[in-house]
Amino acid sequence: QKEVEQNSGPLSVPEGAIASLNCTYSDRVSQSFFWYRQYSGKSPELIMSIYSNGDKEDGRFTAQLNKASQYVSLLIRDSQPSDSATYLCAVPLPRSNDYKLSFGAGTTVTVRA
Amino acid sequence: DGGITQSPKYLFRKEGQNVTLSCEQNLNHDAMYWYRQDPGQGLRLIYYSQIVNDFQKGDIAEGYSVSREKKESFPLTVTSAQKNPTAFYLCASSPAGFTEAFFGQGTRLTVV
Repeated sequence: QKEVEQNSGPLSVPEGAIASLNCTYSDRVSQSFFWYRQYSGKSPELIMSIYSNGDKEDGRFTAQLNKASQYVSLLIRDSQPSDSATYLCAVPLPRSNDYKLSFGAGTTVTVRA
Repeated sequence: DGGITQSPKYLFRKEGQNVTLSCEQNLNHDAMYWYRQDPGQGLRLIYYSQIVNDFQKGDIAEGYSVSREKKESFPLTVTSAQKNPTAFYLCASSPAGFTEAFFGQGTRLTVV
């Protein structure tokens, strides 16, 4: 089992629709979860952090965390062409003395005008 | 301005040569990371460090080396032992190992 897995893409959605991205992680003691957006040829930028079970909303983005199921998701509401990018899920995995920040393979989203 | 600076942005290397990528941060972050990204792929962890003078291998450390002599600096050397070094290299830092990480602009390395 991969340490961090994302649903395979690419994902194509019409403008104004909801894009739903999923991520599962292997270590049930993980405590923090991050979503990054990466435009083609650029470095990733942090868009959401979530630490507690439930939903966290920030503008058109909502992160959902279910630690019992080891599952974190990202919803993009009212999708815009500018949301077309690759979205990366990241989880710091606890090790004996530190944390290993691992990323999923990413899901590429294309918003159709 | 606070941030993470990677240099150079583009780097060309001949086969058989070692090359060092620079990563400097002025955010006073304890943790620093190096990732490799190939076209259409996710980020693979090369090395990470959570304190000065200590670092850990990631998933693909073979053919790479690092040092962490200062808190603000975490250089990556791509050695001749790395068989396929052409890739986009990303450096990141975070206040602590379990907190959000922030990325530099990346170095695109090409072997010619």
